[in-house]
Amino acid sequence: EAQVTQNPRYLITVTGKKLTVTCSQNMNHEYMSWYRQDPGLGLRQIYYSMNVEVTDKGDVPEGYKVSRKEKRNFPLILESPSPNQTSLYFCASSSRDLRNQPQHFGDGTRLSIL
Amino acid sequence: AQSVTQPDIHITVSEGASLELRCNYSYGATPYLFWYVQSPGQGLQLLLKYFSGDTLVQGIKGFEAEFKRSQSSFNLRKPSVHWSDAAEYFCAVGAKTGGYQKVTFGTGTKLQVIP
Repeated sequence: EAQVTQNPRYLITVTGKKLTVTCSQNMNHEYMSWYRQDPGLGLRQIYYSMNVEVTDKGDVPEGYKVSRKEKRNFPLILESPSPNQTSLYFCASSSRDLRNQPQHFGDGTRLSIL
Repeated sequence: AQSVTQPDIHITVSEGASLELRCNYSYGATPYLFWYVQSPGQGLQLLLKYFSGDTLVQGIKGFEAEFKRSQSSFNLRKPSVHWSDAAEYFCAVGAKTGGYQKVTFGTGTKLQVIP
């Protein structure tokens, strides 16, 4: 079954404590993205990756890092989380051509930073 | 850069009534257009997509959308709404930015279905 798997699904943590949200896809997609969803703002792209070792900033990258060492994995790293990063996060993957395979989303990770 | 506007934050319809959710986009060329649905506590599921050709596209769960270039719109419709359609709906536009096909989402429309 085609899947994008995020872990953890829920996390409550404190300001400044480094955390990593993992994302893995089994569709051999080239593209992967991270979004955050906030009420009234929709989904905003944090970072994206076009292939292994190729990443770039999206619209709201401040405070986040990513890496793409393997095609299937695209972890999101918060080195020093702050309360304004409390949000619902989604990982998505797609083929290089959206006409072939549009974005497929994970179930989301709800982060609360106290 | 592309952008998407969903003017209705919240819509309430009666079960069995018809539904139309509005979406307007901004992009210089013909974009790729999508509608996604998000049920509470779930990720986003693709309802339908438009790339080219027939401007009326059919999706899953009985939804359809019509691309109108002259109005820069891609409204989502359903002839008869079911209670299970209560969810948040996102319109999105995909367009080439450099070598990358970037997808930009609207702010969403929350649909409430009443008996």
